[in-house]
Amino acid sequence: NAGVMQNPRHLVRRRGQEARLRCSPMKGHSHVYWYRQLPEEGLKFMVYLQKENIIDESGMPKERFSAEFPKEGPSILRIQQVVRGDSAAYFCASSPVSSNQPQHFGDGTRLSIL
Amino acid sequence: RKEVEQDPGPFNVPEGATVAFNCTYSNSASQSFFWYRQDCRKEPKLLMSVYSSGNEDGRFTAQLNRASQYISLLIRDSKLSDSATYLCVVNGKSGGYQKVTFGIGTKLQVIP
Repeated sequence: NAGVMQNPRHLVRRRGQEARLRCSPMKGHSHVYWYRQLPEEGLKFMVYLQKENIIDESGMPKERFSAEFPKEGPSILRIQQVVRGDSAAYFCASSPVSSNQPQHFGDGTRLSIL
Repeated sequence: RKEVEQDPGPFNVPEGATVAFNCTYSNSASQSFFWYRQDCRKEPKLLMSVYSSGNEDGRFTAQLNRASQYISLLIRDSKLSDSATYLCVVNGKSGGYQKVTFGIGTKLQVIP
């Protein structure tokens, strides 16, 4: 009974490279959320997606960041031309069709920029 | 005003103490409420849902006050293992869809 699966667990990139973070929601969940957390800070909402649709991207930086949740396959958070400030833990969460249900989180991806 | 407000703490309490956290929310149309726990460098984990009538799970009691728009979490007989950050979460309609908002979290440190 797999929970939310994120990979990779750790990702190291050099400045200017691209980072791709993947998230497979729990079985039966069609809502996916991405959050960013800097050390010693709270969770910051980034984007909320349903299959093939971005519902709310109000927390996404306007440049370099994009997210998708295709009909088949995991949700992808893509960061282009990474900078040191992108170093953080990125958490994905999913919830069932009715988002009055609680979210369940993956283990997160720790992104480090050299 | 923030959509969900919590005192970040830290709350330093001795083992065995009772501690309470409050969380206020601004959207009166909010529909569901949760408490999560986050350990250092780990993912948030659901602690409990919060129901209008109040609910209890072992040493943990959650309350909702819709009139005053706040929820609370009470921890009795604190254990060292309760040390963590407690996140308040509010779901409500916003702009035609369900919006989930996390509080900044309240840090609890239980001291031997």
